[in-house]
Amino acid sequence: GNSVTQMEGPVTLSEEAFLTINCTYTATGYPSLFWYVQYPGEGLQLLLKATKADDKGSNKGFEATYRKETTSFHLEKGSVQVSDSAVYFCALSDPVTGNQFYFGTGTSLTVIP
Amino acid sequence: GAGVSQSPSNKVTEKGKDVELRCDPISGHTALYWYRQRLGQGLEFLIYFQGNSAPDKSGLPSDRFSAERTGESVSTLTIQRTQQEDSAVYLCASSRQGNTEAFFGQGTRLTVV
Repeated sequence: GNSVTQMEGPVTLSEEAFLTINCTYTATGYPSLFWYVQYPGEGLQLLLKATKADDKGSNKGFEATYRKETTSFHLEKGSVQVSDSAVYFCALSDPVTGNQFYFGTGTSLTVIP
Repeated sequence: GAGVSQSPSNKVTEKGKDVELRCDPISGHTALYWYRQRLGQGLEFLIYFQGNSAPDKSGLPSDRFSAERTGESVSTLTIQRTQQEDSAVYLCASSRQGNTEAFFGQGTRLTVV
């Protein structure tokens, strides 16, 4: 079946530190992969996505590369800011299962000045 | 509409009462999802609609929970005989056919007292 496993939090970093949030997946087909972000008090919004192997999604300084060989889609940012404090969700959409979305449990990030 | 709209935004109900939560997806989006998010926790999948059909109801926690969708548009999530453990934010999302992103509503915060 389909599932997403992401790094457990919470994660606390100092401003300008390097961020990695791990995400691995299992899927029956060739899924699209997504990172969503939920800022405090707000709804979920798409951060970035990749639709095929070796694609790199990027937005707001965040990047993630679709690695089929390791079934991973790790989120990275070279220098985090206080404003990046949020909960990050990894997700996949699998065409074999009608493009249903599967979400990880979320990783809470707090960036301190 | 421009985005996914959920109503009410907040609902306080007494234990044992029934509640209905509404979701208006983005026009033309064939897929619709309901999730539950308890305070400080990740997304818990409830149900997925493709058109008006629900191929995956596996996440509904009990027979007190039901959902329907009509006209490939509006969806209603009904919780009967609410319990305190039902208190959470209920999120709705919709997406177009294909591996495209899911767009989320702002959620309905349900409090059972």
